Amino acid sequence: DTEVTQTPKHLVMGMTNKKSLKCEQHMGHRAMYWYKQKAKKPPELMFVYSYEKLSINESVPSRFSPECPNSSLLNLHLHALQPEDSALYLCASSRGIGVGTDTQYFGPGTRLTVL
Amino acid sequence: EDKVVQSPLSLVVHEGDTVTLNCSYEVTNFRSLLWYKQEKKAPTFLFMLTSSGIEKKSGRLSSILDKKELFSILNITATQTGDSAIYLCAYSNYGGSQGNLIFGKGTKLSVKP
Repeated sequence: DTEVTQTPKHLVMGMTNKKSLKCEQHMGHRAMYWYKQKAKKPPELMFVYSYEKLSINESVPSRFSPECPNSSLLNLHLHALQPEDSALYLCASSRGIGVGTDTQYFGPGTRLTVL
Repeated sequence: EDKVVQSPLSLVVHEGDTVTLNCSYEVTNFRSLLWYKQEKKAPTFLFMLTSSGIEKKSGRLSSILDKKELFSILNITATQTGDSAIYLCAYSNYGGSQGNLIFGKGTKLSVKP
């Protein structure tokens, strides 16, 4: 089983709203990732969590706030977003971030539209 | 600056054709190269390559890595319409950004009946 689930599938929000994206995996993976993908572009890394600790923050604006409550869950809290933040947000997980463990498996994504 | 370049950017073939997709890279501290297939939503993992010259195979798909010439190819034989997708190549490296996957822009494959 290589399933990563994400909710919601679609989200429309205003610039003053606060919302959260959720990601879950039950594969025992200890590394989890958030990516942002704009139309016709490849995914771009936002955050990496390893053993529930934030290990990489790729200069993401503070209006995106990640949270890893436990090894199976990863959240992305959204506040005061801009229309240009509209994109597909992908979650991924891997066994670890070391050699031989870093194959990442992606969830189906959340399609976010900011009005 | 590390980069990965895929070619062609798009390709249109007919069912039954064989296609070869290319991925070249210039990276420091290379660790592994991965291929993903992306249809409407999430990228689906295909292969991870770490060693030169060893072909990985899954059904009609196969891939190989050349670490000397810094490229990888993805072959699809007897293509089907269900193979239509964007194929993404990505690398992971050692060092400060461990865990980061750097993606190429992808090759959009369209297989016509």
